[in-house]
Amino acid sequence: DAGVIQSPRHEVTEMGQEVTLRCKPISGHNSLFWYRQTMMRGLELLIYFNNNVPIDDSGMPEDRFSAKMPNASFSTLKIQPSEPRDSAVYFCASSLGLGPLTDTQYFGPGTRLTVL
Amino acid sequence: SQQGEEDPQALSIQEGENATMNCSYKTSINNLQWYRQNSGRGLVHLILIRSNEREKHSGRLRVTLDTSKKSSSLLITASRAADTASYFCAIDTGGFKTIFGAGTRLFVKA
Repeated sequence: DAGVIQSPRHEVTEMGQEVTLRCKPISGHNSLFWYRQTMMRGLELLIYFNNNVPIDDSGMPEDRFSAKMPNASFSTLKIQPSEPRDSAVYFCASSLGLGPLTDTQYFGPGTRLTVL
Repeated sequence: SQQGEEDPQALSIQEGENATMNCSYKTSINNLQWYRQNSGRGLVHLILIRSNEREKHSGRLRVTLDTSKKSSSLLITASRAADTASYFCAIDTGGFKTIFGAGTRLFVKA
């Protein structure tokens, strides 16, 4: 398996522009997670899905952020409009989703977002 | 905060020495996991220890869990320069959500 795939790997955009990050989880995994990592705030869970349904989006910072999972093999995280403080590395991770006793998360390589 | 808190924040050792990192948390857990992150890369799962387990080994890694003290430790024996990375503990309090700590930055000098 290719692992979790994220695109793009790097994104540089100007303030006010829309940004869309993409993720393809590992085939057969039922849970998908979006994280944001910065030096100041560390690794933050933004939202996670189970069986394509958003379970907890309490980590989404503002209404400017939205995430979708239209099918089991694809998810997007959108920021509209983007702001300089959104600059961070965004990680997608997936897991089997069988439950807390067995689950480990597999992380993608991340998207480094820079908003000028 | 429910998240695990790693200690120390940073650790610098010589190759061949052992490295010990600690994680403390405040709530009851189902399991606790340790992850490694190399610079510029995603996190990689190292080991999972369940709440009813006290110790687990994987190669040069040894993880202990003391639920009465709400703490865990990760020991890396005979460290190598390639072990240089950030190490995170992550706690699972139920459901499908895992909460990560701030991490310990380990630097192993060759």
